[in-house]
Amino acid sequence: DAGITQSPRYKITETGRQVTLMCHQTWSHSYMFWYRQDLGHGLRLIYYSAAADITDKGEVPDGYVVSRSKTENFPLTLESATRSQTSVYFCASRSRQGNPVEQFFGPGTRLTVL
Amino acid sequence: DAKTTQPTSMDCAEGRAANLPCNHSTISGNEYVYWYRQIHSQGPQYIIHGLKNNETNEMASLIITEDRKSSTLILPHATLRDTAVYYCIVNNAGNMLTFGGGTRLMVKP
Repeated sequence: DAGITQSPRYKITETGRQVTLMCHQTWSHSYMFWYRQDLGHGLRLIYYSAAADITDKGEVPDGYVVSRSKTENFPLTLESATRSQTSVYFCASRSRQGNPVEQFFGPGTRLTVL
Repeated sequence: DAKTTQPTSMDCAEGRAANLPCNHSTISGNEYVYWYRQIHSQGPQYIIHGLKNNETNEMASLIITEDRKSSTLILPHATLRDTAVYYCIVNNAGNMLTFGGGTRLMVKP
């Protein structure tokens, strides 16, 4: 299916465990982003990537690791999950050309850390 | 990026126009105003953006005051499916979208 997908959609884990959230887009967009949204709040940027093998920190990068070996995939890893990382995680992408402000968001991953 | 101020919540009758205000008094000359919305539990969706001129697309209209210190998003004929949180963002078209609290719009039958 065309578009941007995230997996898993729901995840429950325990403190200290490593968790990887997957993001896949079929548009060959250059830019990809990871945001987190805590209950009742707006989204905050964790990391973004301008192209394969190019990543940069956003507003709240601590405790997260990203990689981008292929243009279409942008996994987010919590190396040692903490309760404060309980949140909904959204992946987004946008093209390098065209409208610079239109980001396309995935459906989100709801992560609970016990 | 300039800070934005939006009402926490608004109601609108179905079929009527929904006018969502946003104040951005510290906006600078190269910063755009753009709007996203987030329907419950879904990822945000881009609506529209503008720099100086008013803009219209198939979803909404954006009215920016002449001094650019405020703007209004207009949904001309609101439907129940327009119930969502609407985010006004001011940015220089870079990568760091900063989402504030937004306005929770409730469209009522």
